[in-house]
Amino acid sequence: AQKVTQAQTEISVVEKEDVTLDCVYETRDTTYYLFWYKQPPSGELVFLIRRNSFDEQNEISGRYSWNFQKSTSSFNFTITASQVVDSAVYFCALTQADRGSTLGRLYFGRGTQLTVWP
Amino acid sequence: DAGVIQSPRHEVTEMGQEVTLRCKPISGHNSLFWYRQTMMRGLELLIYFNNNVPIDDSGMPEDRFSAKMPNASFSTLKIQPSEPRDSAVYFCASSRPGTAHTIYFGEGSWLTVV
Repeated sequence: AQKVTQAQTEISVVEKEDVTLDCVYETRDTTYYLFWYKQPPSGELVFLIRRNSFDEQNEISGRYSWNFQKSTSSFNFTITASQVVDSAVYFCALTQADRGSTLGRLYFGRGTQLTVWP
Repeated sequence: DAGVIQSPRHEVTEMGQEVTLRCKPISGHNSLFWYRQTMMRGLELLIYFNNNVPIDDSGMPEDRFSAKMPNASFSTLKIQPSEPRDSAVYFCASSRPGTAHTIYFGEGSWLTVV
């Protein structure tokens, strides 16, 4: 079974602080994909990053960085020098990678509400 | 490219009424998903289509819910009759082969059943 756990329900930081959002996943598949999505107060779900299970390289995009560790089944997300506009709910998600590009379902964590205070 | 387009964005309806939510996936995407988001259950998959064919509808809560995809550019999610517990945000999403399963979401349809 696939499962994603985001243990942090809410996090509050002050602007310019760094913040790390935790994500732990469970799967029996050897090939899978991990995602982070952002849901700002306006409600839409915005894709941030995808990582496949064979690529454990960490990734940095501007103030965002992701740390994928297969050994601990974790895919953590760090925002450096947080800004008020980063305030949102962040979801970690997992999908299995079927053969032949047939798509599987996304399993979402419950999300972490990040509030960045000015 | 235009993103996933959903309508209506907001709907308030009375219990017992029929509700139809509509979705236009991103052009060229051959997989379409309907998700529901509630405080109690979070984001849950209701149904997904591949090449217009329903692949997994195990998340559809009950017979009051139905979904169709008559062609590659249109899908509907219908609730008949609606109940207050159906109040939620309904997201449509799509993806295509070659994007490593990246699923792009619409802005959601906010449904309130009173």
